[in-house]
Amino acid sequence: NAGVTQTPKFQVLKTGQSMTLQCAQDMNHNSMYWYRQDPGMGLRLIYYSASEGTTDKGEVPNGYNVSRLNKREFSLRLESAAPSQTSVYFCASSVTDRNNEKLFFGSGTQLSVL
Amino acid sequence: AQKITQTQPGMFVQEKEAVTLDCTYDTSDQSYGLFWYKQPSSGEMIFLIYQGSYDEQNATEGRYSLNFQKARKSANLVISASQLGDSAMYFCAMRGPWGAGSYQLTFGKGTKLSVIP
Repeated sequence: NAGVTQTPKFQVLKTGQSMTLQCAQDMNHNSMYWYRQDPGMGLRLIYYSASEGTTDKGEVPNGYNVSRLNKREFSLRLESAAPSQTSVYFCASSVTDRNNEKLFFGSGTQLSVL
Repeated sequence: AQKITQTQPGMFVQEKEAVTLDCTYDTSDQSYGLFWYKQPSSGEMIFLIYQGSYDEQNATEGRYSLNFQKARKSANLVISASQLGDSAMYFCAMRGPWGAGSYQLTFGKGTKLSVIP
């Protein structure tokens, strides 16, 4: 059972380059999320998608765009990478169920912007 | 706005002893949920336990229990009989009122737990 799958696991970019982080879940979840984790910090929400076809900004959306391609897939794009975007990125998904309160996370993407 | 505070950057505990990791929260919402996640050195985020604001009993999941004191706005994690594999970062997190099927969690900065043999 794969759960939430993120690719790539590691990436090094030069300032100004663009890239897309891919995320897919096989649990038929409605909601998906992108978080970033910086040293000494908890996770901060970048964007989320409550359901297929909808996306909304989280706490730190600047410099990012997202696409909810279908129910399974939610991608995060950096159009012009900056050193401040060096971080670990986590994709997550959740059910729409009050009785099943849990966020499932992917294994993370370590991104370095030089 | 929601805020989670974890005041212990690092904790040590002897193997087989119990340990309490502190978490306080601030919110004006009446309905909310509190979570604890474990992040081992491998980096993945592992769900441990959940407490809803209207739950009257403290949540328990195996060796994990959540000491929920609503009036004090605290949601401390208690790990009983610590094991070496419990060494990890632990994050307290909170979601606001349930709605639109989304769980926008606000995370604390974490506590690094080290279990000593």
